[in-house]
Amino acid sequence: IRMTQSPSSLSASIGDRVTITCRASEAFYNHLAWYQQKPGKAPKLLIYEASTLQSGVPSRFTGSGSGTDFTLTISSLQSEDSATYYCQQYYAYPLTFGGGTRVEIK
Amino acid sequence: QVQLQESGPGLVRPSDTLSLSCSVSSYSITNGHYWAWVRQPPGKGLEWIGSITHGGDTYYNSSLTTRVTMSTDASQNQFSLRLSSVTDADTAIYYCARGGGAYTPFSIWGQGTMVTVSS
Repeated sequence: IRMTQSPSSLSASIGDRVTITCRASEAFYNHLAWYQQKPGKAPKLLIYEASTLQSGVPSRFTGSGSGTDFTLTISSLQSEDSATYYCQQYYAYPLTFGGGTRVEIK
Repeated sequence: QVQLQESGPGLVRPSDTLSLSCSVSSYSITNGHYWAWVRQPPGKGLEWIGSITHGGDTYYNSSLTTRVTMSTDASQNQFSLRLSSVTDADTAIYYCARGGGAYTPFSIWGQGTMVTVSS
């Protein structure tokens, strides 16, 4: 299953609402995760099952979608959210990631 | 809390075999879960390499399946990756992670280890 993220990068201001989209090449049932990766660090699980927030992750992060179209939203961008975000499907092998979205702070 | 730590050579010669281990602390790998390897070439995205269950069942990325072997060592509470016939395209940060089964995200990651393929 091919995962296509858009945009590949974005620049937004503190407090902005940010939306990242992930489209799958075929439909599957919600077995989608979002990860945040900061430079020099390992990815961190933010959301799984498309919309379930991982423990300890701030509530400004939300996930939605089903079938082939999924969305990660940051409701009010903070400076610490500057990172690259990846979607990943774990519905079928081979497990696949989107190409990533780099989020920069203006 | 559960922690994962990769170890292995940082430099591998072309055509040789890359060997890495992942030590797991605060959780016995025999208790369950899938255990996986994911890699990231410099400046690029993430690629799943393969996963292994606590029982030793393996699942490999079809793009690497002829060169990959994963195993577990319950006595050391670790799991391992071997990637044969490496080329410079295998230069990457290699991460071990918990998860990577069907219906299982990667919930815990190691810090990653950089492996460079060069003569």
